[in-house]
Amino acid sequence: SQQGEEDPQALSIQEGENATMNCSYKTSINNLQWYRQNSGRGLVHLILIRSNEREKHSGRLRVTLDTSKKSSSLLITASRAADTASYFCATVPNTGNQFYFGTGTSLTVIP
Amino acid sequence: DTAVSQTPKYLVTQMGNDKSIKCEQNLGHDTMYWYKQDSKKFLKIMFSYNNKELIINETVPNRFSPKSPDKAHLNLHINSLELGDSAVYFCASSLGPPMGTDTQYFGPGTRLTVL
Repeated sequence: SQQGEEDPQALSIQEGENATMNCSYKTSINNLQWYRQNSGRGLVHLILIRSNEREKHSGRLRVTLDTSKKSSSLLITASRAADTASYFCATVPNTGNQFYFGTGTSLTVIP
Repeated sequence: DTAVSQTPKYLVTQMGNDKSIKCEQNLGHDTMYWYKQDSKKFLKIMFSYNNKELIINETVPNRFSPKSPDKAHLNLHINSLELGDSAVYFCASSLGPPMGTDTQYFGPGTRLTVL
């Protein structure tokens, strides 16, 4: 399977702490995207990082990409209760037109 | 206004029935998708249409038939529903060709329960 895998599967932190989620994948990619899914809702795009980029920031989000290790991380700084959600990475391979989602990390931020 | 909308939000039906889920996007996007998310939250693409043309057709039983009357709509018809079809189905759209560098915009999902 070319599906990505996220680590950890579940993460519980206190409000104000930082949350780090990791994503590993198997094929060479064109880009990698992170999405958030609140309970019972659709996915919302957070950030896209291209294969020639190593780090990207958006507000309290910081994404890194290491293509040599085929891995990416999503850091949420100064977490809030509203950040409670599942977070998915999705990879777009260089070849073909597929789009593979990871298994997701369930984040709980305790107020 | 909702960018990507799906109806119905919930669908409970008996095994063997035929049902349809509708999706509409008002973003002017060229590409639309159907995804299936199982109970373990594993999200898998089923179909992709670009300008009403089928682009991606994953290994999905032929009981599932997508129909795109125009590029703003992509409906999913399911024949002879089975217990294993129970899942949340998400519609999504993106501006350009499938699986490029464009962001995908997701609908709220349709929770299908087959009894």
